[in-house]
Amino acid sequence: AQSVSQHNHHVILSEAASLELGCNYSYGGTVNLFWYVQYPGQHLQLLLKYFSGDPLVKGIKGFEAEFIKSKFSFNLRKPSVQWSDTAEYFCAVKESGTYKYIFGTGTRLKVLA
Amino acid sequence: EAQVTQNPRYLITVTGKKLTVTCSQNMNHEYMSWYRQDPGLGLRQIYYSMNVEVTDKGDVPEGYKVSRKEKRNFPLILESPSPNQTSLYFCASARGAGASTDTQYFGPGTRLTVL
Repeated sequence: AQSVSQHNHHVILSEAASLELGCNYSYGGTVNLFWYVQYPGQHLQLLLKYFSGDPLVKGIKGFEAEFIKSKFSFNLRKPSVQWSDTAEYFCAVKESGTYKYIFGTGTRLKVLA
Repeated sequence: EAQVTQNPRYLITVTGKKLTVTCSQNMNHEYMSWYRQDPGLGLRQIYYSMNVEVTDKGDVPEGYKVSRKEKRNFPLILESPSPNQTSLYFCASARGAGASTDTQYFGPGTRLTVL
């Protein structure tokens, strides 16, 4: 069965620090990869997604993620975080062409002003 | 405004009392899905629907039912709720499953407590 691992459950950073959140999945076939974010008091929303092509994808608010097929990873990065990035971040995987999503357990990021 | 709505937002009930959580979207999306979110477990997919009258099980369907009689509505039914169904529930919708259509739009969540 597919699974998604997010190794960092809680991350605390100071403003302007760089961010990298890990995401690894287990599935041998073609996958579509996503990062969703939930800001305090708001709905879950899409940050970015990878379907094919350039493995480095850029999303909203300066986030990017790199798909490394050989490592089954899709890590999320941001060079300089802001206080407003405080949120919970979820990595998700979907087998290409299907409708079944597997989400990771989430990473709570707190950015100190 | 494009949105996914869920009702109720909060519900406390007792074991065995049937309940329905409604989900509605106004974006004419074909795909809809239900998730539950539990501490340490993230979001887990309960059921999903690819279109009217087409539904399928996600990872944790036991104890739940769904129906998709109209495109805009996708209610989640708990015929006989139990305490282990206490959770935060999210409904989501998307245009489809392709690269340009599969962004999921989530509802605000329904916090359910089963005593």
